[in-house]
Order: sequence, then structure tokens, then C-alpha cells
Amino acid sequence: QKEVEQDPGPLSVPEGAIVSLNCTYSNSAFQYFMWYRQYSRKGPELLMYTYSSGNKEDGRFTAQVDKSSKYISLFIRDSQPSDSATYLCAMSAAGGSYIPTFGRGTSLIVHP
Amino acid sequence: DSGVTQTPKHLITATGQRVTLRCSPRSGDLSVYWYQQSLDQGLQFLIQYYNGEERAKGNILERFSAQQFPDLHSELNLSSLELGDSALYFCASSVRGSFEETQYFGPGTRLLVL
Repeated sequence: QKEVEQDPGPLSVPEGAIVSLNCTYSNSAFQYFMWYRQYSRKGPELLMYTYSSGNKEDGRFTAQVDKSSKYISLFIRDSQPSDSATYLCAMSAAGGSYIPTFGRGTSLIVHP
Repeated sequence: DSGVTQTPKHLITATGQRVTLRCSPRSGDLSVYWYQQSLDQGLQFLIQYYNGEERAKGNILERFSAQQFPDLHSELNLSSLELGDSALYFCASSVRGSFEETQYFGPGTRLLVL
């Protein structure tokens, strides 16, 4: 079992839909949780960063962490075709070198 | 544009060869990270440098090595290349070298080993 599991998709939704992207993990030491967006043939860019449990909102994006279930989510409201990309979750443990472990990424397609 | 530059963009080489990938971090960033992204393994952390010193090591093979120079640019050397080394190699940079801070990724070098 990989430490971080993420459904590769693709996930295809119509413009304006609410998108839910998820990752599960097995390492209970993870405390830092990140979501990256990667457009085709580009490097990843950090979207959201959360520490421990709870929610964090930034514009149309909301990140949720449920440490009891070892489950994190990224919600995208009013999705746009420009949101079409691969979304990678990443997480790391505190108290060490904080080296992140990445999910394989979910491919999202938002069609007009 | 993240401000991180990587050269070359593409590299095609043969098994057994050696290549060098180059990265220039964003202005003011002291730390450089190298990652490998392949279809079967996803994105994997290789190694981190901070102000010229190695700070953290991930899943980096012994055939691979890196260094960060006084001007803060970094090079990743891949030797005795195998078919399985074909991947995208990303460099990222950050200011303080802490993993919990934002890392800015470059556009990557696409390596194809034939």
C-alpha cells in the first residue's frame, strides 16, 4: 500500500460544477498537507497549504483535512475550463526533514 | 512564470551515458530541491540543498548526484543512465529551505533515455 493514495481520474465535469478531489494516507505522523496544480508540460504550483486538521478557504478553493480518517479533500467551486489540470496532494511529517510525499495526481477536465 | 529556470528543456540520450541538468533558483531563494516525475512513480523528492550544503536526501539513486554552487545555481548529474531514468526532472526553490514553506517549481527537463 502506498503512503498516499489518489485516484488518477480523469474526472470530467461541466463548467460551473463543484469539484471534489481527495487523497487518503496511511502515515499518522503527517501534519502538513498541500495541494498542487500542474498544467500539462509545466511544473507543479502550490495551491493550498494546511497544517493539521480543519478547513482552509482561498477564493474558489477549499482544503479540508480529516486526520481521524486520514483523508484530505480539495473542493473547487464554480469550476472553470482553466481549472483543467492535474491536482497533486502532498503531505509531510513534522519534527523531521519534512520531506513531502506526493500522491500520483488526479486529472481534472472541466468542459464548457 | 515561477522565476525558476531549468536547462535544457529536453534531453535525449542513450543508456550508459551521463547528463547534467541545470537549475537557477528564484532571486533571493537559498534552497534548491530536485524531483523526479515519472508515469509509474509519480512525483518523488530526490535531494535538497540549502546555501551550498546538502540538507535532505530522498529517493536518490547512487548513480545520481547533485551540487549547489556559490551563485546558488544547482546541477543534477545522472550517470550510467538506464531506460527507467526517463522522466521529467523538476527543480524547485524556496527562501529558507523549510519544506513547510512554498516551493516554486521550474518548468522541468524532460529526459528520454533510449
